[in-house]
Amino acid sequence: SQQGEEDPQALSIQEGENATMNCSYKTSINNLQWYRQNSGRGLVHLILIRSNEREKHSGRLRVTLDTSKKSSSLLITASRAADTASYFCATDARMARTGANNLFFGTGTRLTVIP
Amino acid sequence: EAGVTQFPSHSVIEKGQTVTLRCDPISGHDNLYWYRRVMGKEIKFLLHFVKESKQDESGMPNNRFLAERTGGTYSTLKVQPAELEDSGVYFCASSQDPRLREFGGANVLTFGAGSRLTVL
Repeated sequence: SQQGEEDPQALSIQEGENATMNCSYKTSINNLQWYRQNSGRGLVHLILIRSNEREKHSGRLRVTLDTSKKSSSLLITASRAADTASYFCATDARMARTGANNLFFGTGTRLTVIP
Repeated sequence: EAGVTQFPSHSVIEKGQTVTLRCDPISGHDNLYWYRRVMGKEIKFLLHFVKESKQDESGMPNNRFLAERTGGTYSTLKVQPAELEDSGVYFCASSQDPRLREFGGANVLTFGAGSRLTVL
């Protein structure tokens, strides 16, 4: 399987604290993306980091990528109650069997921010 | 701009029945994907269309699942006959031709809200 694995599966923090989620994957990638899903809604793209990048920022989001360890982390600073959602990493990788590039998702981290 | 639309939002059927899920991608998006999430597990890739052609259907579980995208617009995913293990949320996503994309050509998907399937 090429899917990523997020860690932890669930995270509960107080509003204002920082939240860190980790993702590990198995194969070489073109890029890694993080998506967010609010309950009952579709996934929404948050941020993308390419395989030759090590860190990326977007607002309160900070993503790191370590291709030698095949891992990434998503940091949400100064969390808000509205950040409560599930967060998924997705790896853009080539499928060996078909040669096609696809996005492969993990199991997600369920983040709860307590007001 | 309209997003990716999926119908129905929730379907409850009995084992052995047939269900057809529909996805309307963003207009002009050549790439259309189906994913499935079974309770608490990963969001699993099912298949990928480029226009009306199946680019990759390696994730389809078995021959009870049939996806079509006639005319390269909307897509349907039919499950016949449905089994208990088919329960889950089926997501559709679309993306542009790589030459038209932002993010330097990277494949960023726009998702629909999903169709929740419950097989009793």
